[in-house]
Amino acid sequence: DAGITQSPRHKVTETGTPVTLRCHQTENHRYMYWYRQDPGHGLRLIHYSYGVKDTDKGEVSDGYSVSRSKTEDFLLTLESATSSQTSVYFCAIGGTDTQYFGPGTRLTVL
Amino acid sequence: RKEVEQDPGPFNVPEGATVAFNCTYSNSASQSFFWYRQDCRKEPKLLMSVYSSGNEDGRFTAQLNRASQYISLLIRDSKLSDSATYLCVVMQGNQFYFGTGTSLTVIP
Repeated sequence: DAGITQSPRHKVTETGTPVTLRCHQTENHRYMYWYRQDPGHGLRLIHYSYGVKDTDKGEVSDGYSVSRSKTEDFLLTLESATSSQTSVYFCAIGGTDTQYFGPGTRLTVL
Repeated sequence: RKEVEQDPGPFNVPEGATVAFNCTYSNSASQSFFWYRQDCRKEPKLLMSVYSSGNEDGRFTAQLNRASQYISLLIRDSKLSDSATYLCVVMQGNQFYFGTGTSLTVIP
C-alpha cells in the first residue's frame, strides 16, 4: 500500500469553527489531491497540488483552502465549517498513471 | 451533465455468476481510464487500468470503446469477496473524475 496517512481519522465539530485536516505521504509524489465523498455524488475534487506551494482549485473548492509547504504534507482547511461540509474526506497522491488514496477522515459538523 | 455516469445498482448475484458493469464518460478528450474498488467505509483502491485493446486480470476483464465513450468491467466466477462498490474513473489532464459507483453483492 502507498504510504499515505490522514489525521484526524474522525472529527466532530461545531458550525463556524475552523478545521484543518492533514495528509502525509512518504512516497515523494509531486501531485496530491483532496476529495470529498458524499452519497449520490461520488468523489469530488476540492483542491490539488502539483508541487510545494503550487495548488489549484477543483470542482467544489468554495469554503476550503489548502497549503503545501513540504512535499510530504498537504493540509485542507475549512475556514468556517458548515453542516454541508459534513462528509468523508480523502487525500490522494499520484500523477498521470493512477491515484492512491489515504484511509479518509470522517468529519461531522453539528 | 456528469463527467462519468454509472448505473448505481445494486447488483445482487449468486456466487459463481458473471456480472458486467458499464460506464459512460462525456469528454472525448479523456486520456486514461480505470476501475477502482471501494469496500464499505474504506478508501478506493485501484482494481485495474482500462485500455482500448481490452485487458484482463484473472477473473476481471475491462474494455474501452472510445468511439462510444463507454467503459465496461466483467467479473467472471464471482466470489463473496467481490462484494464492494466499483468506481469508474476517467482522467483528463491531471484531474481524475469519478462515477458514483456500482454496488455489487455476491450472495452465497
